[in-house]
Amino acid sequence: GENVEQHPSTLSVQEGDSAVIKCTYSDSASNYFPWYKQELGKRPQLIIDIRSNVGEKKDQRIAVTLNKTAKHFSLHITETQPEDSAVYFCAASRITGNQFYFGTGTSLTVIP
Amino acid sequence: GAVVSQHPSWVICKSGTSVKIECRSLDFQATTMFWYRQFPKQSLMLMATSNEGSKATYEQGVEKDKFLINHASLTLSTLTVTSAHPEDSSFYICSASWTSGSYEQYFGPGTRLTVT
Repeated sequence: GENVEQHPSTLSVQEGDSAVIKCTYSDSASNYFPWYKQELGKRPQLIIDIRSNVGEKKDQRIAVTLNKTAKHFSLHITETQPEDSAVYFCAASRITGNQFYFGTGTSLTVIP
Repeated sequence: GAVVSQHPSWVICKSGTSVKIECRSLDFQATTMFWYRQFPKQSLMLMATSNEGSKATYEQGVEKDKFLINHASLTLSTLTVTSAHPEDSSFYICSASWTSGSYEQYFGPGTRLTVT
């Protein structure tokens, strides 16, 4: 089955700085990679996703890059704000079956 | 659109009893629903995948006789934790997708289960 690893587990940045979270996956058939933000006790919220036919995707302060050859993908948050503080999860999926396999999560703290 | 609800939002039960959690897609038909378990400060672990009208597919290590999943309609899936024990205490989250070929999943708000 798919194995998704995520680093770092915790990350603290000063407000305005950038944050980068990295994930690797094992199943070369995975072709969809979403990123979720989860606040304590709440449901995960999709913040950005990327499909395997694309190398990079950007949405305002958030961007995701994908390296299919190396089987890793990264989340980049620029100009961080205190409200960005949360736990972020990456996931990998293949369209057949559509199961999501989540990374271990990164607790991001943005210090005002 | 694409709203998923869960009921109850939290439940406390005694050891040995069974608990049923409902997951509903409110504004779309969900051909596939997924159940996850999340322990404090840990990731979401996929428990099982259910397709409407067929038996659920369980992930390795998940006891199918303990976690009964029913997906009787395109808008409702239920998870029943049978003979619950304190170690079953967790946050249970469902998600739904509207076609088998859809990439996206829409998550419910989760159910906090505490077994005393």
